[in-house]
Amino acid sequence: GIQVEQSPPDLILQEGANSTLRCNFSDSVNNLQWFHQNPWGQLINLFYIPSGTKQNGRLSATTVATERYSLLYISSSQTTDSGVYFCAVGDNDMRFGAGTRLTVKP
Amino acid sequence: DGGITQSPKYLFRKEGQNVTLSCEQNLNHDAMYWYRQDPGQGLRLIYYSQIVNDFQKGDIAEGYSVSREKKESFPLTVTSAQKNPTAFYLCASSIGGSFSYGYTFGSGTRLTVV
Repeated sequence: GIQVEQSPPDLILQEGANSTLRCNFSDSVNNLQWFHQNPWGQLINLFYIPSGTKQNGRLSATTVATERYSLLYISSSQTTDSGVYFCAVGDNDMRFGAGTRLTVKP
Repeated sequence: DGGITQSPKYLFRKEGQNVTLSCEQNLNHDAMYWYRQDPGQGLRLIYYSQIVNDFQKGDIAEGYSVSREKKESFPLTVTSAQKNPTAFYLCASSIGGSFSYGYTFGSGTRLTVV
């Protein structure tokens, strides 16, 4: 099956810093999404981005499908950005990476 | 408001028991999914269903069973054959097919074997 690798596994930032999270995947896909899981376990869909670039406020994402990777950018990070960020890829069924655990310190 | 409801939030199971986790959605989504998450890990796909009365195994289906008799409901049964069921279980839904974007997740059920 398709393999999904995320890096870095852990990231600690000071409030206001910028960061880039990476997702590599092993096969071409029609569907790639980024999620944020808060400390209570709730998963929120951030982006549906099988290719191209999208922006939503301080977050943006870019997927280069031909090179099989996607990047999630977080600018001017806030403590509420803390949690685990997951990349998921697939077609009708999505496979998740192991996630990047982000801690933003005040 | 539309969304996905999982119940119960916490569930305790004795050795050898079957338990059923509920997942209901009112988003009119065709596709529904069950994932398992172990501490500090990503999500692993258990089962998924694209339409009523049809479902497929995911990567870790052994010891689990599902049904999809109604579009709104996709219950998961953790059977006694699942040897290590303690985990966080998440249900999701999407429009489905080639438009399976916009996954919506429920708030999860934490299952503990006692």
